[in-house]
Amino acid sequence: DTGVSQDPRHKITKRGQNVTFRCDPISEHNRLYWYRQTLGQGPEFLTYFQNEAQLEKSRLLSDRFSAERPKGSFSTLEIQRTEQGDSAMYLCASSLQQGLGWTNYGYTFGSGTRLTVV
Amino acid sequence: AQKITQTQPGMFVQEKEAVTLDCTYDTSDQSYGLFWYKQPSSGEMIFLIYQGSYDEQNATEGRYSLNFQKARKSANLVISASQLGDSAMYFCALWGYQAGTALIFGKGTTLSVSS
Repeated sequence: DTGVSQDPRHKITKRGQNVTFRCDPISEHNRLYWYRQTLGQGPEFLTYFQNEAQLEKSRLLSDRFSAERPKGSFSTLEIQRTEQGDSAMYLCASSLQQGLGWTNYGYTFGSGTRLTVV
Repeated sequence: AQKITQTQPGMFVQEKEAVTLDCTYDTSDQSYGLFWYKQPSSGEMIFLIYQGSYDEQNATEGRYSLNFQKARKSANLVISASQLGDSAMYFCALWGYQAGTALIFGKGTTLSVSS
């Protein structure tokens, strides 16, 4: 397994356009997370899936954002009508969660998709 | 509310020296975990070390150790024998039941290692 893959690595788009990012997690991981990271800040949680179910969404995830994980494998994050404030690094991570606890290995992150809205 | 505070925006160290990166946290959870991640300029987040709230001994992973002081709510990362490749952003993160499943990250500390 090659880890968490994200595509594309970079995306430049004009304000108002829609963009979609893809994340392929580690195959045996059942949880998938999306984070956003702006320059000079730590990652901020957006949403997470357990298998195909989206179980939690942050208040940061406005109506213009939608995420899916249709078969419990890869996930997509779509931003509609992009704004300049959406410019950020979008990080995907996955983990194997068993029961109510957490794995002491933390998350495995992908390399991120850097979005620039012009 | 859960919170992570990293007060050092930047740290500078010479090769082979040890460096301590500070992290304080706030949580009302009794059971929680603390993580450190490294983010080089390439952007990926690399897991370094983990400390559980009930772990009695400080975690160690190679050159990384976590100085966990529960009463002070601090979880400082110690890097021994710094290397040029250690130059990166370092993030402290907290997981607790109160926050659901999301890791909460601090703002990070930039470490620069010089020869």
